[in-house]
Amino acid sequence: GQSLEQPSEVTAVEGAIVQINCTYQTSGFYGLSWYQQHDGGAPTFLSYNALDGLEETGRFSSFLSRSDSYGYLLLQELQMKDSASYFCAVRDGDKLIFGTGTRLQVFP
Amino acid sequence: GAVVSQHPSRVICKSGTSVKIECRSLDFQATTMFWYRQFPKQSLMLMATSNEGSKATYEQGVEKDKFLINHASLTLSTLTVTSAHPEDSSFYICSATWTSNEQFFGPGTRLTVL
Repeated sequence: GQSLEQPSEVTAVEGAIVQINCTYQTSGFYGLSWYQQHDGGAPTFLSYNALDGLEETGRFSSFLSRSDSYGYLLLQELQMKDSASYFCAVRDGDKLIFGTGTRLQVFP
Repeated sequence: GAVVSQHPSRVICKSGTSVKIECRSLDFQATTMFWYRQFPKQSLMLMATSNEGSKATYEQGVEKDKFLINHASLTLSTLTVTSAHPEDSSFYICSATWTSNEQFFGPGTRLTVL
């Protein structure tokens, strides 16, 4: 079967750094994406890794290790507005297979 | 970025009725549209992949006769939940793409079946 595992919940304080891990087991793999979703809203694209290594986009960075079937999203200088659910997603052809999701709560 | 709309944003219906949800790409032509379902506090589950002018491809376990998908043009796909029941209550989200690189998501439709 196909699975993408993430921690269910992470908490942190404003200004801190948090890392959300994703381990995957899928039949196909073209790359790993990360999405943010606020309650009741649509997923918004954050980052994409097709190759091993670190991709940096502002306060957010994403890492991929294909040999370990593992990736993570790093959020720096946390703000209250970062409180949301975060999903990793494997691209398999034109499909996206979403992870279990991590709920991030940022406290003042 | 590209904009995808969904209509309606919320719908409440009686058990046994059918509900149609529209997904439109507003500023690009979408070669492929996807339909997802998301239950509270859970992940997005892909229901089907829809290509313009052809039959949708359904994921395993999704009833194609219950969830009718029509992709009549490069900017419009519709999902019809037929004979809806309370267990069909969920958040339905579409996405659209014109390449394989990125999907653009609609705002979602919250369906409540009484």
